[in-house]
Amino acid sequence: QQQVKQSPQSLIVQKGGISIINCAYENTAFDYFPWYQQFPGKGPALLIAIRPDVSEKKEGRFTISFNKSAKQFSLHIMDSQPGDSATYFCAASGATNKLIFGTGTLLAVQP
Amino acid sequence: GAVVSQHPSWVICKSGTSVKIECRSLDFQATTMFWYRQFPKQSLMLMATSNEGSKATYEQGVEKDKFLINHASLTLSTLTVTSAHPEDSSFYICSARSGTGGYEQYFGPGTRLTVT
Repeated sequence: QQQVKQSPQSLIVQKGGISIINCAYENTAFDYFPWYQQFPGKGPALLIAIRPDVSEKKEGRFTISFNKSAKQFSLHIMDSQPGDSATYFCAASGATNKLIFGTGTLLAVQP
Repeated sequence: GAVVSQHPSWVICKSGTSVKIECRSLDFQATTMFWYRQFPKQSLMLMATSNEGSKATYEQGVEKDKFLINHASLTLSTLTVTSAHPEDSSFYICSARSGTGGYEQYFGPGTRLTVT
């Protein structure tokens, strides 16, 4: 029940395209859903996060879509650029503030 | 804002020795800090949660006597890997959460530990 399932494991997108990464959770007590971007040899960087009281949040080219009834959330990267090539992790947390991470998606944006 | 640093960025030590990793929140006070380890091409696994001034809480399966965590101040937490073995080689990452009520966790750049 503590797992966060993430798909796809890897993704190749052409420059200018839309990258979509999906996550699903089971624990209905989760109330915070962030997305992190990680480059090789670096720590994760917080990209964008959402609370369950909204269905969508947009920051620049990054959008989170949240479906509370389906217990799913997704990250959309618009106008994907080669510089976006990285590993993306979704996560979820609740009252304990412990982040439960998804398995990660390796995104490659081809020029 | 919300910068977390780690030192050292990489360390090589001999089997049986101990190594200390520092995690600092540079521009905010972190009431809670978290320590993770990450193996190549894998996700982050939470090792322990530390609150300033109190004992760390370890996740199931993490040896507290091997991974000593001290959260001595609102800006500093340390992880000491005692009697290190090659299987302890990993990427160790800390994160910090502000005490002002926000949910965000900010991560450090990580420390690459290699035990020979």
